Amino acid sequence: GENVEQHPSTLSVQEGDSAVIKCTYSDSASNYFPWYKQELGKRPQLIIDIRSNVGEKKDQRIAVTLNKTAKHFSLHITETQPEDSAVYFCAASNTGNQFYFGTGTSLTVIP
Amino acid sequence: GAVVSQHPSWVICKSGTSVKIECRSLDFQATTMFWYRQFPKQSLMLMATSNEGSKATYEQGVEKDKFLINHASLTLSTLTVTSAHPEDSSFYICSASPVLAGDNEQFFGPGTRLTVL
Repeated sequence: GENVEQHPSTLSVQEGDSAVIKCTYSDSASNYFPWYKQELGKRPQLIIDIRSNVGEKKDQRIAVTLNKTAKHFSLHITETQPEDSAVYFCAASNTGNQFYFGTGTSLTVIP
Repeated sequence: GAVVSQHPSWVICKSGTSVKIECRSLDFQATTMFWYRQFPKQSLMLMATSNEGSKATYEQGVEKDKFLINHASLTLSTLTVTSAHPEDSSFYICSASPVLAGDNEQFFGPGTRLTVL
């Protein structure tokens, strides 16, 4: 089955700085890579996603890059704000639509 | 659109009892629903894939006789935790994949917090 690893587990940045979270996956058949933001006790919220036929995608302050050959993808948040503080999860999905989540990154943006 | 609800949002039960959790797609039909379990400060772990009208597919290590899944309609899937024990206490989240959605699209429910005493 798919194995998704995520680093770092915790990340603290100063407000205005950038944050980068990295994930690797094992199953070459995975073709969809969403990123979720989860606040305590709430459902995961999709913040950006990328498909295997694309190398990079950007949405305002958030960007995701994908390296299929190396089987890794990364989330980049620029100009971080305190409200970006949350737990972020990457996931990998195959044609069966099952999502396999990374271990999560607790991001703290220090004002 | 694409709203998924879960009921109940929070349940406390005694050890040995069974608990049923409902997952509904409110404004779309879902051929496939997924059930996840999330322990405190941990990731979402896929438990099973629920397909309307057929048996659920369980991930390795998940006891199918303990976690009964029924997907009787295109808008409802239920997860029953049978003979619950304290170690089953967790946050259970479902997601639903619309019939006419693009590949891989899933919408998550708000989760159900189960506490077994």
